[in-house]
Amino acid sequence: DTAVSQTPKYLVTQMGNDKSIKCEQNLGHDTMYWYKQDSKKFLKIMFSYNNKELIINETVPNRFSPKSPDKAHLNLHINSLELGDSAVYFCASSQGTSAFYEQYFGPGTRLTVT
Amino acid sequence: AQSVSQHNHHVILSEAASLELGCNYSYGGTVNLFWYVQYPGQHLQLLLKYFSGDPLVKGIKGFEAEFIKSKFSFNLRKPSVQWSDTAEYFCAVNGDKLVFGAGTILRVKS
Repeated sequence: DTAVSQTPKYLVTQMGNDKSIKCEQNLGHDTMYWYKQDSKKFLKIMFSYNNKELIINETVPNRFSPKSPDKAHLNLHINSLELGDSAVYFCASSQGTSAFYEQYFGPGTRLTVT
Repeated sequence: AQSVSQHNHHVILSEAASLELGCNYSYGGTVNLFWYVQYPGQHLQLLLKYFSGDPLVKGIKGFEAEFIKSKFSFNLRKPSVQWSDTAEYFCAVNGDKLVFGAGTILRVKS
């Protein structure tokens, strides 16, 4: 059983479009995250939600809007896509917000903006 | 602010060689330290972690890491690598959020 799943796996779109990436975890975790991995492979946190509440927002452009309909889902909607948004986006989850907890990662969504 | 530095971006080893990947971090408070691995075509998974206690921690697949507080280091080691260890390795530090290093790509030649 997949613990953290993301759809789609690949997304190719044009500048200016709006797109969404979905994430679901079946681990019963309270906390979910979105990370961006750029072309130099740096993984940086974008958002974190705990029990559907936003707790980390790392100076991400407001074109990016996360939505957590329930504890098991954290979707990422991106408006007016730009070339610089091309990256791999990873969803993750953990039992709670404590630094003690290991994060479990999804397979990633490779977004290419042309 | 937290930061993580991994010393080597690419490492190429022959099978049975010993491995050490360097990781240094900066953070003013108590940290929790992790090594994650990403095998080709797979997602990130935890290799090992340190929270407290014995600074030498053992992980999966024969990997271990040593936390040296005075050096702000958490280096990853394996005495004898295998071809199947070919992957990208990420050091990460969790103080107030999880911060990753840039990753080290390890290629093991058979």
